[in-house]
Amino acid sequence: SQTIHQWPATLVQPVGSPLSLECTVEGTSNPNLYWYRQAAGRGLQLLFYSVGIGQISSEVPQNLSASRPQDRQFILSSKKLLLSDSGFYLCAWGPGTRGVGGQFFGPGTRLTVL
Amino acid sequence: RKEVEQDPGPFNVPEGATVAFNCTYSNSASQSFFWYRQDCRKEPKLLMSVYSSGNEDGRFTAQLNRASQYISLLIRDSKLSDSATYLCVVFPGGGNKLTFGTGTQLKVEL
Repeated sequence: SQTIHQWPATLVQPVGSPLSLECTVEGTSNPNLYWYRQAAGRGLQLLFYSVGIGQISSEVPQNLSASRPQDRQFILSSKKLLLSDSGFYLCAWGPGTRGVGGQFFGPGTRLTVL
Repeated sequence: RKEVEQDPGPFNVPEGATVAFNCTYSNSASQSFFWYRQDCRKEPKLLMSVYSSGNEDGRFTAQLNRASQYISLLIRDSKLSDSATYLCVVFPGGGNKLTFGTGTQLKVEL
């Protein structure tokens, strides 16, 4: 069966510090991978998605970036965090195109920027 | 108009009640539909896919009305453990992205 891991679970960072969040998927190959952010009391905002190694599509222009160095690894980064970057960051994988099968989420990282 | 719209609630219902949520979507070419459940401070989890013919999973029934562009979720015999936020999700077609509604909050009370 497929499993998706995210770490760390919680993170408190000062404004202006760098960020690196990692997501890995087990039990599947060539998954579509997604990064979402959920601000407190808000809906899910798609940040990035990837259909393959080195292929990143950005949905929202901001100070975040994503990379996919390996088939089942997806990394979210920032060089300098802003207060507005606080939120619940979720990585998800999808089994194929056309939305078939939906998406499956990791446990998330709760980021607080102070 | 939002791509996916849901009544945010909260819906406060007594245990054992039947409750229904509706969701409307704007893109008539949308191809796949889902209901997700999200517990407080947890990740969303896929509850069920929604098929044109309607589908049932235990106490949960999902229906799709393409002509009116809405999706419904019916929960029978509500349990305390059903308390969560229910997200309506649509695959609008093209690309690999899903569109999430902002969710409907359900609180089941004794």
